[in-house]
Amino acid sequence: NQMTQSPSSLSASVGDRVTITCRASQSIGLFLNWYQQKPGEAPKLLIFATSSLQTGVPSRFSGSGSGTDFTLTISSLQPDDFATYYCQQSHSTPRTFGQGTRLEIK
Amino acid sequence: DVQLVESGGGLVQPGGSLRLSCAASGFTFSGYWMSWVRQAPGKGLEWVADIKQDGSDKNYVDSVKGRFTISRDNVKNSLYLQMNSLTVVDTAVYYCAREPIYSGSRGDYYYMDVWGKGTTVSVSS
Repeated sequence: NQMTQSPSSLSASVGDRVTITCRASQSIGLFLNWYQQKPGEAPKLLIFATSSLQTGVPSRFSGSGSGTDFTLTISSLQPDDFATYYCQQSHSTPRTFGQGTRLEIK
Repeated sequence: DVQLVESGGGLVQPGGSLRLSCAASGFTFSGYWMSWVRQAPGKGLEWVADIKQDGSDKNYVDSVKGRFTISRDNVKNSLYLQMNSLTVVDTAVYYCAREPIYSGSRGDYYYMDVWGKGTTVSVSS
């Protein structure tokens, strides 16, 4: 099941509302996770099962969607949010990741 | 603290073998699926394999089937990845991750909530 994210990169400013899209090649229900990764660090879980916020993750992060189309939204960008974001499907193995979306400071 | 620490990475020649280890602490290791994820230099994340709590079920990405073997020792609280017939495309940082399951109304949702810092595998002649 191929996962395709858009855009591949994005420039935004602190305070902006940002949306990242993830599309699955086959329907995956709600079996979609989102991760954040900063350079030189391990990935960090943000959201699982499409919309469940991981403990400790700020509420400005939210997820939605179902079937083949999903979104990660950051309601008001903070300096700490500039990173690369990955979606991942857990509907079936292999549990494929999207190619990533690099979020940069404008 | 919940922690995962990978080890065993290094430089190996094409065709060679390497065994990665992941030491778990701070949680009941035997209660979780565990997984390996890798990241080639400058590239995205690639899920490699996972293993059920008791080791009875294992899954692999096609590119490593027949070459890599995931295993675990619940007494030693350790996860392993035996990698054989390595090629240059296996060069990556390898992460181990804890894989809880959230049981929802529509099924069991897998995700990776705790990650190690990774160990680097370089395949080169």
